[in-house]
Amino acid sequence: QVQLVQSGAEVKKPGSSVKVSCRTSGGTFTTHAISWVRQAPGQGLEWLGGINPMYETSNYAQKFRDRVTITADEPTSTAFMELTSLRSEDTAVYYCARRSVGGEDATFFYAMDIWGQGTSVTVSS
Amino acid sequence: EIVLTQSPATLSLSPGERATLSCRASQFVGRFLAWYQQKPGQAPRLLIYDTSNRATGIPARFSGSGSGTDFTLTIDSVAPEDFALYYCQQRSTYTFGQGTKLEI
Repeated sequence: QVQLVQSGAEVKKPGSSVKVSCRTSGGTFTTHAISWVRQAPGQGLEWLGGINPMYETSNYAQKFRDRVTITADEPTSTAFMELTSLRSEDTAVYYCARRSVGGEDATFFYAMDIWGQGTSVTVSS
Repeated sequence: EIVLTQSPATLSLSPGERATLSCRASQFVGRFLAWYQQKPGQAPRLLIYDTSNRATGIPARFSGSGSGTDFTLTIDSVAPEDFALYYCQQRSTYTFGQGTKLEI
């Protein structure tokens, strides 16, 4: 049973950076794309970007392209999402997610049926 | 960027009624449209992918239809546990709709 285990809650100052991790356990890491999705309090879901560990290629939503970096470390089966120049509007729960099916479908950042537990990031002075 | 517009924003129904939720894309997305359910304090749960395929373990009362730019999620005979938020997502640029709240 594949699980995604995320790092713990963070409290950051405006202008600083945060790096959230997402470890894959119980399954293969390189064959499945990992997405990062956030949800601000009382708001909807927002796709930030993702990575295909096998090809080490990242894809970002246009809105976050200049502030987010998504990386992967194959030996530890862990994906990372770093968000810089934090502001209060970045206060949200950040999720990593992926598909359980394999093959070509697993390379898209879409129809994710396995989700991490979420990491709360609070940006406050 | 492809924008997904969901309607209505809120849908008020009673258990046993039929729910019809809409998702409209600003550009053609083919059949690659997914639906998620989210309850308070929980991660989203995949319901439907590629317009009409139910994810593993999803009850048959959930069904999806549509193509191109207009898609529908239908819940036949809404159960008490179905009252939640529902989001659609497309596969071209991975954006989500803004959500529909299904409430009693």
